Amino acid sequence: GQQLNQSPQSMFIQEGEDVSMNCTSSSIFNTWLWYKQDPGEGPVLLIALYKAGELTSNGRLTAQFGITRKDSFLNISASIPSDVGIYFCAGLMNYGGSQGNLIFGKGTKLSVKP
Amino acid sequence: NAGVTQTPKFQVLKTGQSMTLQCAQDMNHNSMYWYRQDPGMGLRLIYYSASEGTTDKGEVPNGYNVSRLNKREFSLRLESAAPSQTSVYFCASSEGQGGGQETQYFGPGTRLLVL
Repeated sequence: GQQLNQSPQSMFIQEGEDVSMNCTSSSIFNTWLWYKQDPGEGPVLLIALYKAGELTSNGRLTAQFGITRKDSFLNISASIPSDVGIYFCAGLMNYGGSQGNLIFGKGTKLSVKP
Repeated sequence: NAGVTQTPKFQVLKTGQSMTLQCAQDMNHNSMYWYRQDPGMGLRLIYYSASEGTTDKGEVPNGYNVSRLNKREFSLRLESAAPSQTSVYFCASSEGQGGGQETQYFGPGTRLLVL
């Protein structure tokens, strides 16, 4: 089946640092979504991208839909402690107008530097 | 607006027992989904329902059944639980019936342990 490669798997952040993560695939997607999941909670949508090349911001978060439609990245600027959690990318693929399914990356875990 | 709600929050089962996980959404969404989340695996789609009265298999449907009871509710049933079904189960919903812009909203999850 389709797969999304999300990297890095984990990273440590220090308050104030900028953070980058990305997802790549061998398949073309029509929509890219970025979610954040806090411990014990369900994923919460951060940013949705619908067009190739689209660059969208949500506060300190910026995400881009790659031109090839096979990748996306998420940047977090000036990180703060509450940014810790697991970030998931998800791609939506449609086949001839039928129901599209989300394919999720395996997540990037953000932790605070000890 | 509660969004997507799931019950129970936690459940422990013995191998071979059955149970139903409940999900409801109050956003008048057409589509609903069931995922499982395992460590290092991300979320994997079990079943989905594009509209009331329809259900379709996702990536990992074996061992599960679903019922779209009405527009609001979508239940997931384990007829004979197995230890491999130990996981966190998430229900989600989206507004449309597919078509390329299906932002999904997730419930808080049900943590299931099968002994």
